[in-house]
Amino acid sequence: EAGVVQSPRYKIIEKKQPVAFWCNPISGHNTLYWYLQNLGQGPELLIRYENEEAVDDSQLPKDRFSAERLKGVDSTLKIQPAELGDSAVYLCASSPGGGSTDTQYFGPGTRLTVL
Amino acid sequence: GDSVTQMEGPVTLSEEAFLTINCTYTATGYPSLFWYVQYPGEGLQLLLKATKADDKGSNKGFEATYRKETTSFHLEKGSVQVSDSAVYFCALSMISGTYKYIFGTGTRLKVLA
Repeated sequence: EAGVVQSPRYKIIEKKQPVAFWCNPISGHNTLYWYLQNLGQGPELLIRYENEEAVDDSQLPKDRFSAERLKGVDSTLKIQPAELGDSAVYLCASSPGGGSTDTQYFGPGTRLTVL
Repeated sequence: GDSVTQMEGPVTLSEEAFLTINCTYTATGYPSLFWYVQYPGEGLQLLLKATKADDKGSNKGFEATYRKETTSFHLEKGSVQVSDSAVYFCALSMISGTYKYIFGTGTRLKVLA
């Protein structure tokens, strides 16, 4: 079974440029999560989807960040415009359901560097 | 607010030594508790979990017991191997008004041959 796929793995951009990250979850997983992980820190939840609906986006900085999960399968996270402080690893995870006991399956992440 | 606190690393041990990584939590509800591991160059993966008080999670020789009275979920292994070198994250998950999934800052383990 294929795991969670993310692309690109690495991205270097200049500040004020837009950037997008793509995630394809494990087949059949209804719940998809985007996390931000700063160096030396644990992941922080940005947004959670149940199928195509964003059910928890309270931690997503909506002035510059947006996300979508059309058709309830793969998802895109976008930053426009990027700032220096956005340099981090962006993780995608999925789970079969959205319960608090569910195991999340993580992708390898996209490492973003903003110059 | 709700939080997870882990011991700082790095933790450096010799092969076959006993491992303990401390994790305590603060939660307003009744969380499930997890340990995730991140090997070099790989994504996070579940190591073990416990969903209610007094449950013990175990996997690959690692164990952790959900202690509600001390709000702890310490990770232990009796004999570590070089291949256990990784970053270990403690996390809690609960639904208390909103969905919460909170990770600790991670503890890096180095095991020397």
